[in-house]
Amino acid sequence: QVQLVESGGGVVQPGGSLRLSCAASGFTFSSYGMHWVRQAPGKGLEWVAFIRYDGSNKYYADSVKGRFTISRDNSKNTLYLQMNSLRAEDTAVYYCAKERGHIFDYWGQGTLVTVSS
Amino acid sequence: DIQMTQSPSSLSASVGDRVTITCRASQGISNSLAWYQQKPGKAPKLLLYAASRLESGVPSRFSGSGSGTDYTLTISSLQPEDFATYYCQQYYSTPPWTFGQGTKVEIK
Repeated sequence: QVQLVESGGGVVQPGGSLRLSCAASGFTFSSYGMHWVRQAPGKGLEWVAFIRYDGSNKYYADSVKGRFTISRDNSKNTLYLQMNSLRAEDTAVYYCAKERGHIFDYWGQGTLVTVSS
Repeated sequence: DIQMTQSPSSLSASVGDRVTITCRASQGISNSLAWYQQKPGKAPKLLLYAASRLESGVPSRFSGSGSGTDYTLTISSLQPEDFATYYCQQYYSTPPWTFGQGTKVEIK
């Protein structure tokens, strides 16, 4: 069965950096695009970034463009999100999600990122 | 960017009730709409896609309809496990992938 397991969240000061990972199993990781979606405490879902199956194209929400970088290692079945210049408003649970025809068909359990001094 | 607006933001209903949630897009999205269910502390779960196609394993009491800019999610007979927050999401014009603000279904 499909499993997505995020890790790397934690508490970081404003301006700091953090790298999230998402370990995938149960499907051919190298054949699917992957997303990061976040959810601030008590708020709705916000799409963050997408990477094509082969890493050839990457897209970002305007709110994170220039600060976050999505990447993947298909040999390790792992998705990453490098987050730099973090702000208080980046505080959220970050989910990785598998793409199927532009929809999010499987989600990880999420990892909490808290940006606070 | 396409904006998605859900209504209502919350509703109270009883077990057995028929519940309808509406999602309106800022422009036509040609049925490129998905619905997700999220329970507290859990990840969202895909319910329907292409406006009306039920994801495998999702109970048939969930249905979707609509066209153009207006779409609905209907739960024909609300069950205790259906109390959750529901989100619509458009994928007609991406990036960005955009979600509605959510509709919380609470117990009456």
